[in-house]
Amino acid sequence: SQQGEEDPQALSIQEGENATMNCSYKTSINNLQWYRQNSGRGLVHLILIRSNEREKHSGRLRVTLDTSKKSSSLLITASRAADTASYFCATAFNAGGTSYGKLTFGQGTILTVHP
Amino acid sequence: DTGVSQDPRHKITKRGQNVTFRCDPISEHNRLYWYRQTLGQGPEFLTYFQNEAQLEKSRLLSDRFSAERPKGSFSTLEIQRTEQGDSAMYLCASSLISDQPQHFGDGTRLSIL
Repeated sequence: SQQGEEDPQALSIQEGENATMNCSYKTSINNLQWYRQNSGRGLVHLILIRSNEREKHSGRLRVTLDTSKKSSSLLITASRAADTASYFCATAFNAGGTSYGKLTFGQGTILTVHP
Repeated sequence: DTGVSQDPRHKITKRGQNVTFRCDPISEHNRLYWYRQTLGQGPEFLTYFQNEAQLEKSRLLSDRFSAERPKGSFSTLEIQRTEQGDSAMYLCASSLISDQPQHFGDGTRLSIL
């Protein structure tokens, strides 16, 4: 079953604008990860944020994690047409302080960036 | 790092036939995962291996599904007596250890006629 719920389901913006996607989850986690998927391809890892971290940056990406609200957000700044893809959050369940590694994915946000 | 490779990329078969997919993980990765993804959904976990040991299987993995990872290298996923509902993208991923990012292959798209 899908643990995460992502919001919005679809997002359409112009090149240069920022894109924000949100993810909520239900269980205690070891870490939360964001992935990108281009149509017909596999998933590409973007950022991993651990349960004891609140914010992480990678290039134009910024991820926040609020474990009290069981939610995370992904911000893409200065978007480009090449950012057009589906974005998924995925959680690794926390079992006594360790992670089994298997990921539970949300349904994803479809991002379209218009040139 | 040659990445995770999956073969074939596409498989079309008739209902009731058996199919087998192969996944070659990144060579030094101990963990190997199989996921299934249907259109418009996120991937769903099927099973994973630590080296050659299969450590967990999802309830999604009925008796018609079997996975192996002989010698802890490549892995195969076999579906016997395929059904219409098996149509999906089957994704393989690998990681070095359990709490590291997973590297995904481009998947095998299965279509059941």
